[in-house]
Amino acid sequence: DQQVKQNSPSLSVQEGRISILNCDYTNSMFDYFLWYKKYPAEGPTFLISISSIKDKNEDGRFTVFLNKSAKHLSLHIVPSQPGDSAVYFCAASAAGNQFYFGTGTSLTVIP
Amino acid sequence: ETGVTQTPRHLVMGMTNKKSLKCEQHLGHNAMYWYKQSAKKPLELMFVYSLEERVENNSVPSRFSPECPNSSHLFLHLHTLQPEDSALYLCASSQGAGGSYEQYFGPGTRLTVT
Repeated sequence: DQQVKQNSPSLSVQEGRISILNCDYTNSMFDYFLWYKKYPAEGPTFLISISSIKDKNEDGRFTVFLNKSAKHLSLHIVPSQPGDSAVYFCAASAAGNQFYFGTGTSLTVIP
Repeated sequence: ETGVTQTPRHLVMGMTNKKSLKCEQHLGHNAMYWYKQSAKKPLELMFVYSLEERVENNSVPSRFSPECPNSSHLFLHLHTLQPEDSALYLCASSQGAGGSYEQYFGPGTRLTVT
C-alpha cells in the first residue's frame, strides 16, 4: 500500500499565478520530507526539504508547508514560470530510513 | 562530467539476454541506490550501498544483481528478465545512506524487455 500519495496527476496554472502541489502520507513516523522536480529525459532533481520539527520552509519562489495533524504536505510556487513545467514528486522518510515516493504531479505553466 | 551519469540511456533486451546498467557519481558521495520506476507507480527502491557495502535489498528478484566496486560506481546486472521488468531504472547517490540525506539522481536507463 502506498504510504505517500499525490492524488492529482496533473495541474495547469497560468504564468505568474500560484501553483500548489499536494501530497498526503499515511505513516505518522515520517519525519523528513522532500520535493523533487523532473524534466523529461532527466532524473529527478532535489528542490526543497522540510523536517517534521518545522511547518514551513521557504527557498525563493518555492515554499513547502507541512501539516502533521492532517499528514499533508504542499509545495507552493509563486510566481509560476513556464520553466517550472515538470513532474513534481514528494518523498518521505522515517528515522533516517528509506524514502517513499509519490507517483508525481505533472505541472504545466501556461505562458 | 558532473553529477550522476548512467549508461546506456536506452536498452532493449530479450528475455534470455544478459546486460548491465552502469552508474557513476562524481559528487564524492558515500551511498548509491538503484530505483525502479514503472508507469504510474512511485519510485521503488531496489538496492542501497553505503561505502561499497550493500545495506538494503528490498525483496528484489535474483534476476537483478547489483555490484558496487567502489564508492563512485554502481552496476545492475540483468539476466533472464521478464516483460514486466520493463521500466525506467534510476541510479542515485547521497552523502550518507538512508532518509536523512537528499539524493541526487541520474537521468535513468529506459529498459524494454521483449
